[in-house]
Amino acid sequence: DGGITQSPKYLFRKEGQNVTLSCEQNLNHDAMYWYRQDPGQGLRLIYYSQIVNDFQKGDIAEGYSVSREKKESFPLTVTSAQKNPTAFYLCASSPGTASYEQYFGPGTRLTVT
Amino acid sequence: GESVGLHLPTLSVQEGDNSIINCAYSNSASDYFIWYKQESGKGPQFIIDIRSNMDKRQGQRVTVLLNKTVKHLSLQIAATQPGDSAVYFCAENSNYGQNFVFGPGTRLSVLP
Repeated sequence: DGGITQSPKYLFRKEGQNVTLSCEQNLNHDAMYWYRQDPGQGLRLIYYSQIVNDFQKGDIAEGYSVSREKKESFPLTVTSAQKNPTAFYLCASSPGTASYEQYFGPGTRLTVT
Repeated sequence: GESVGLHLPTLSVQEGDNSIINCAYSNSASDYFIWYKQESGKGPQFIIDIRSNMDKRQGQRVTVLLNKTVKHLSLQIAATQPGDSAVYFCAENSNYGQNFVFGPGTRLSVLP
């Protein structure tokens, strides 16, 4: 059963702690993405990766870090430097970048108190 | 449920009626567009896409219209059903851009 998985669905952390969100895909897609979604706003791109061992900052990369050591995995770390980390985080993958449909995971809701 | 979309514009339609959801896109160079459906607490699901060399594309119960002159995209859902209740948003991309730009979305509410 192919697709994208994100875990956990809900995550709670204390302020000042780093937290890593998991994203795995078995679609053999080259490109992977992380988005943040806040109420009343469209998806905003945090980081993306077009190929293993390479990634680029998106529009709101400050306070986040990623790695792409394997094609199927693209974990996102929300660091203590992120000023407003509470949000819904979505991971996506696609066969390529421009002009290719993105397939989304189910999302992780992060709450930092 | 997920609080995404609390302050979005809302379209309410009667079950069985047709729905039209609109999207104004920003980049005149955009040449590929997608409509996504997002149910509460879930990731977006692909509905239909269209390239800029077309002005209309039909799927199962859905039609996307593209007006490049006014940079406008619409999604028409025929015979709207309760299961169509969700947030719908458009995304645009161009061959010159690396990534999609997503609109804020519209909440569709289907009334019994």
